[in-house]
Amino acid sequence: NAGVTQTPKFQVLKTGQSMTLQCAQDMNHEYMSWYRQDPGMGLRLIHYSVGAGITDQGEVPNGYNVSRSTTEDFPLRLLSAAPSQTSVYFCASSYGGRVREQYFGPGTRLTVT
Amino acid sequence: SQKIEQNSEALNIQEGKTATLTCNYTNYSPAYLQWYRQDPGRGPVFLLLIRENEKEKRKERLKVTFDTTLKQSLFHITASQPADSATYLCALGPPANTGFQKLVFGTGTRLLVSP
Repeated sequence: NAGVTQTPKFQVLKTGQSMTLQCAQDMNHEYMSWYRQDPGMGLRLIHYSVGAGITDQGEVPNGYNVSRSTTEDFPLRLLSAAPSQTSVYFCASSYGGRVREQYFGPGTRLTVT
Repeated sequence: SQKIEQNSEALNIQEGKTATLTCNYTNYSPAYLQWYRQDPGRGPVFLLLIRENEKEKRKERLKVTFDTTLKQSLFHITASQPADSATYLCALGPPANTGFQKLVFGTGTRLLVSP
């Protein structure tokens, strides 16, 4: 199993550009999430999904969109990149149910200039 | 709002000693708590989970305690090795009877084990 994969590994965008961060998992997990990690702050939840076709907002959703058309894939779209979105982005997945450990991808380091 | 605190200063210890990391929280009643390890440039990796009705959990050289009265968890690594050097993250699970498990993560404590 590849686990959780993310592409690209690194990305530089100009302010106003849009892009999609890809995330895929091959463990048949129901739940998937996107987090951002900034220096001096804990991982913050952006959006999450509890199954195909079902998504919801996390703590910091503004400026991001998600969709979940399949169990495996959960892309994160930046609509109009801003310097405040410079961060490291992690995708995570887990089995359904209340108490489950999360499996994280390797991350995407995004810089917005 | 809830607040979770981990020591932002790095913890330096010698190989063979026991490392103890602290996670404190306020304004929250987590049903469980998780610990993750994160190496530079990589995603966090799950280590241990402890529920609110458990005092202590062990896995090989790792031990976690959870004191809901003090609102604190301690994470111990016994017989530490240089390979244990990493950042360790604490994450609070939501209170019981809530929906999706929105974890609240601490900022992490960096552990450096010297030979």
